Parts: sequence; structure tokens; C-alpha cells
Amino acid sequence: DVKVTQSSRYLVKRTGEKVFLECVQDMDHENMFWYRQDPGLGLRLIYFSYDVKMKEKGDIPEGYSVSREKKERFSLILESASTNQTSMYLCASSLFRQGGDGYTFGSGTRLTVV
Amino acid sequence: AQKITQTQPGMFVQEKEAVTLDCTYDTSDQSYGLFWYKQPSSGEMIFLIYQGSYDEQNATEGRYSLNFQKARKSANLVISASQLGDSAMYFCAMSPDSNYQLIWGAGTKLIIKP
Repeated sequence: DVKVTQSSRYLVKRTGEKVFLECVQDMDHENMFWYRQDPGLGLRLIYFSYDVKMKEKGDIPEGYSVSREKKERFSLILESASTNQTSMYLCASSLFRQGGDGYTFGSGTRLTVV
Repeated sequence: AQKITQTQPGMFVQEKEAVTLDCTYDTSDQSYGLFWYKQPSSGEMIFLIYQGSYDEQNATEGRYSLNFQKARKSANLVISASQLGDSAMYFCAMSPDSNYQLIWGAGTKLIIKP
């Protein structure tokens, strides 16, 4: 089974802190994604990467950056956390953009910025 | 515009009944994929079923089937013999060939009553 592991399930950070959310997948997938999920707004794509050291902005990249130094790891960085970044963050990976394997998600990180 | 519409914000269904969750999509791409995901209260996004736009037969996975009507641009999820464990949020998503992103619907909250 493909596994996508997010380093923290719950996280509480202070305003202005630099926050790292880590995501690791173990099936050699090319594509990795970071989403945030807010009630009533659904899932919104922050950044994605289709190869090592490659990154593309999604719908809401402001206030975030990413790093993909190794194929299996995709990190989301909040440069200076703010209260409006309190959300559920979901990492996903996929081998193909379309296909029956789907996108595999991690269990999510609920981030609270106080 | 590329869009997924789920018109049922919430549904209550009696245990053991069949359930149909509605999903319509909009894209001008000829090639695309359609996905359904389940999100229990724990937060993890679980891949359920996939339908490719060129697949002639409706996809099935165990108790899940996807009622794909291409001309009507609908991709409804059917759950047969519902169980209490089916209570969750259900999301429909689309992967158009022209777009690296998954386009998400707003979700349907399904509650199975004993």
C-alpha cells in the first residue's frame, strides 16, 4: 500500500513563527501536492511538485513556500505564521495525474496559529 | 470554466439502504478523470473510485459504483447496502488533462442512521 505520512497530526504555533509541515511518501511517486481544507471552502491547492526541485504554485500560494529536495519528501513552509493560516493541511501524492490509483493522501495536520 | 458541483450538502440515509451522491462537472477537455473520496471525521482522505472519460463501462469497487453519464456531465456515486461506517464527507473531484490540479467539489456530508 502507498503510504503518505505527515509528520504531525496536531500542531499549535504562535503568530510570526516559521512552521514546517513535512510529508513523506514511500512509493516513488512523481507528483506531490499540498492542500488546505477549510469548512465551506473545500480543498484548495497551495503548491504542487511534479519532480525533485520542481514546484508550481496552486490557487493560494501566498504566505507559503515549499521544498522538494528528495523525491519522497515534500515540505510546506509557513514563513511567518498568521492566524488566518489556521487550517487542516493535507499532503497527497500520485504516480499519474489520471488513473485508477488515485491520489493518496496523508492523514492531515490540523494547524492552529495563536 | 472547470468546475465540480455537489448539490447535496448533507444527507440522512437509513442503514442498509442504497445511497446516491450527486456530482456534475464542467470541462471542455476531452480527456479527464473523475474521482470520489471519503473523508471520515478522523480527517484522512480515502480514495474510493475512479472513472476515466474514455471508459465505456461504469467503474465499480465493491459496494461503490460510479454512474457515469458523459452527455449529462454527471458522475454520481452509488453506495449499495449502506453501513454505519459509511458516515463521512464525500468529495467528487476531476482531473482534466489540461490542468495539473484536481478540481474539487464542496462535498456531501452523509449520515447513516441505525
